[in-house]
Amino acid sequence: RKEVEQDPGPFNVPEGATVAFNCTYSNSASQSFFWYRQDCRKEPKLLMSVYSSGNEDGRFTAQLNRASQYISLLIRDSKLSDSATYLCVVNRDYGQNFVFGPGTRLSVLP
Amino acid sequence: DTGVSQDPRHKITKRGQNVTFRCDPISEHNRLYWYRQTLGQGPEFLTYFQNEAQLEKSRLLSDRFSAERPKGSFSTLEIQRTEQGDSAMYLCATSFVGAQDTQYFGPGTRLTVL
Repeated sequence: RKEVEQDPGPFNVPEGATVAFNCTYSNSASQSFFWYRQDCRKEPKLLMSVYSSGNEDGRFTAQLNRASQYISLLIRDSKLSDSATYLCVVNRDYGQNFVFGPGTRLSVLP
Repeated sequence: DTGVSQDPRHKITKRGQNVTFRCDPISEHNRLYWYRQTLGQGPEFLTYFQNEAQLEKSRLLSDRFSAERPKGSFSTLEIQRTEQGDSAMYLCATSFVGAQDTQYFGPGTRLTVL
């Protein structure tokens, strides 16, 4: 089993739709969780950190479920500019060794 | 530009040659990471520095790979005796201790081994 798993997609959704991605991780000792966004042929950029209590940033909501070892990302009112690959990131144990998932590709269609 | 920079942006080399990449971090960032990314995959952790100390290294990193950060600022990643399987995007990321591990990535160096 891979340490961080994501559905690779692609998710093709119309503008204005709500879309949700899940990510599962295998290391129960992981402490830090993030969602990064990566545009085609560009570097990853932090979208949001994921906290135990859940957090929201505008149209984006992230949730963490430690018992089931998964994190989620919800995007409301999708925009064309949301089209990208979304990478789930988890640290391995307590260190700085971060494990990236393979990414979920989203295409928002007009 | 005060972001993370990497040089070169592209490198084409023949199998068996050595290559060296450079990463210049955001000036106050004391943590620096190297990753490798291939098509359709997320970045794969290679190694990490805090200041000049190399604190973690992936078990997947063969002895052909070496990284340095001599003065705790810029870093170099060298690959000796390159193989075709080394072809990938090599990404550098930096962060500041206490900033909740937020990593800022450079644009990457795309390596092609012929």
